[in-house]
Amino acid sequence: SQTIHQWPATLVQPVGSPLSLECTVEGTSNPNLYWYRQAAGRGLQLLFYSVGIGQISSEVPQNLSASRPQDRQFILSSKKLLLSDSGFYLCAWSVHGGAGVFGTFGSGTRLTVV
Amino acid sequence: GQNIDQPTEMTATEGAIVQINCTYQTSGFNGLFWYQQHAGEAPTFLSYNVLDGLEEKGRFSSFLSRSKGYSYLLLKELQMKDSASYLCAPDTSGGYNKLIFGAGTRLAVHP
Repeated sequence: SQTIHQWPATLVQPVGSPLSLECTVEGTSNPNLYWYRQAAGRGLQLLFYSVGIGQISSEVPQNLSASRPQDRQFILSSKKLLLSDSGFYLCAWSVHGGAGVFGTFGSGTRLTVV
Repeated sequence: GQNIDQPTEMTATEGAIVQINCTYQTSGFNGLFWYQQHAGEAPTFLSYNVLDGLEEKGRFSSFLSRSKGYSYLLLKELQMKDSASYLCAPDTSGGYNKLIFGAGTRLAVHP
């Protein structure tokens, strides 16, 4: 069965510091991978999605970047965090080419920028 | 552009039935998902509709009208554990499962 791992669970970072969040998927090959962010009391905002190694689509202009160095690894990064980057970050996967077969979300990382 | 509308909050009584509506306007459409999210947790999958009509799955049912850009989630025999946010998410891609989420509806179930 497929599992998705995301870490760390919580993170407190000062403004201007770098960020690296990692997500890995097991039990499937060539998945679509996604990064979402949820601000307090708000819906999920799609930040990035990837349909293959090195293929990243950015949905909104922002202070963040994503990379997919391996088939089942998706990384969210920032060189200098802003206060507005605080939120609940969720990684997710879906079957490549399997419309309607959305996988699961990771357990999320709660990021607080101070 | 993408626009997804859901009521912000709803309340209901244990054992009752509640319907959560969602209207959407998206640049592409390939089906619609509903998710449940408890506070502080990741969303969990409830249903997926790609054709018009009603899909029933236990106490939960979901309806879609593609021509009207409208969906609803129906929860029957409400339980206290159903208190959560319910997220409507159209797939706006051509099969890439590019889900765009609404702000969600916070449902509070009272005894």
